[in-house]
Amino acid sequence: QVQLVQSGAEVKKPGASVKLSCKASGYTFTANYIHWVRQAPGQGLEWMGWINPNSGGTNYAQKFQGWVTMTRDTSISTAYMEVSRLRPGDTAVYYCAKDIYSGGWLGSWGQGTLVTVSS
Amino acid sequence: EIVLTQSPATLSLSPGGRATLSCRANQSVSRYLAWYQQKPGQSPRLLIYDASNRATGVPARFSGSGSGTDFTLTISSLEPEDFAVYYCQQRSNWPLLTFGGGTKVEIK
Repeated sequence: QVQLVQSGAEVKKPGASVKLSCKASGYTFTANYIHWVRQAPGQGLEWMGWINPNSGGTNYAQKFQGWVTMTRDTSISTAYMEVSRLRPGDTAVYYCAKDIYSGGWLGSWGQGTLVTVSS
Repeated sequence: EIVLTQSPATLSLSPGGRATLSCRANQSVSRYLAWYQQKPGQSPRLLIYDASNRATGVPARFSGSGSGTDFTLTISSLEPEDFAVYYCQQRSNWPLLTFGGGTKVEIK
C-alpha cells in the first residue's frame, strides 16, 4: 500500500534552516506529484507547493517563493523540502502528500513533521 | 487569488444527524473542488474530489455537490467517527492550490 514516511520532529532557532524528508513506498515514486502542506498549531491547512518527482520541476505558492526549496532523490524514492530563514511563525506540522493523478488532489498523506522555531 | 470560505465554522450535531457543510469560492472553480477530513492528531484524508467523486474507501454517507462557486459536503447520518474538521480545496487555477479555513463538526 502507499506509504509516505516523514522525518522526525525538529527544533530550530530563528534564522536557521530545516530540511524535511518524505520517503515514499508502495507505488512508482516518479508517477505522481508530491505536495507539501503545513498546519500551524490550532490552524487550518496551508498549501506550500509541489514537486514533480519525474522531472524535478517545482511550483510554489507565492508566499513561499524564495525561501522554500523542494527537491527529490529518485534513487531512494524520497522528496525533500528545505525551509530557510525560519521565524517563530513557521512553527507548524509539515505534511507531504501524494497527488492521486498529478492534478491537484492529495490522496495519500505522510504522518507530518512538527517543526518548532524558538529562541 | 481564489479564496474559499467555509461555513459554518462549527456545526454541532448529534450522532445520526445530517450534516451540511458549505464551501464558497470568490470566483468560479468549475467542479475542481475536493473535501478532506481531519481528526485530532491525524493527517488529513481525501473524501471527495472533482466536487462529487468519492475517494477510494470513503463511505457512501459522504456526498459532495455543487459547481461554480457554491459547494456542499453532506454527511447523511453522522457516525461517531465522523466528528472532525473538514476542509475544502480547489485546483481550478492549477498549478496553484488553496484550502478553505475548515468546518468543525462537533458532538452536540
